[in-house]
Amino acid sequence: AQSVAQPEDQVNVAEGNPLTVKCTYSVSGNPYLFWYVQYPNRGLQFLLKYITGDNLVKGSYGFEAEFNKSQTSFHLKKPSALVSDSALYFCAVMSSGNTGKLIFGQGTTLQVKP
Amino acid sequence: GAGVSQSPSNKVTEKGKDVELRCDPISGHTALYWYRQSLGQGLEFLIYFQGNSAPDKSGLPSDRFSAERTGGSVSTLTIQRTQQEDSAVYLCASLLRGRVTEAFFGQGTRLTVV
Repeated sequence: AQSVAQPEDQVNVAEGNPLTVKCTYSVSGNPYLFWYVQYPNRGLQFLLKYITGDNLVKGSYGFEAEFNKSQTSFHLKKPSALVSDSALYFCAVMSSGNTGKLIFGQGTTLQVKP
Repeated sequence: GAGVSQSPSNKVTEKGKDVELRCDPISGHTALYWYRQSLGQGLEFLIYFQGNSAPDKSGLPSDRFSAERTGGSVSTLTIQRTQQEDSAVYLCASLLRGRVTEAFFGQGTRLTVV
């Protein structure tokens, strides 16, 4: 069965410091991986995706993620955190079967403090 | 439309009543998804539409839940005889099938059953 794990419920970083939000996955076949962000009382906004190609994927708002096949990980990173990055972050894998259905991790709350 | 639109944004209903949640996807997007976001459960898939048919409704939690899509566009999620455990945010997403791409989410409907 396909699954996504986000091992941290919350990540706290100081503004200006680098941040990492962890994600590991379990899939059969090629993984199609996504990161979404959710601000309070808002829907999910797409940040970035890995389909194929370079393992380092760059996305919106200065975020990037590194696909690591051997470790089955897709960690979200940003070199310098902003207070406005504080939000709920979801990692997701697109399920096999060609439906486009997403399987989400439990989400990680990122708190960036001034 | 410019984005995925959901209505109402908030709904408070009495236990036992029926509710209808509406989703208006991005024009031209053939695939439509309903997800549920509840505390402690993360984001869970409910149902997938391709055009007007629903080839995957495996996530619907009980027969009180149903959904339809008409004209390959608007979708309605109906919950009959609502229960308190139905309280959650219901998110709709759409995407253009045919290639692996990101789904676009609406802002959600927050349902509270009292």
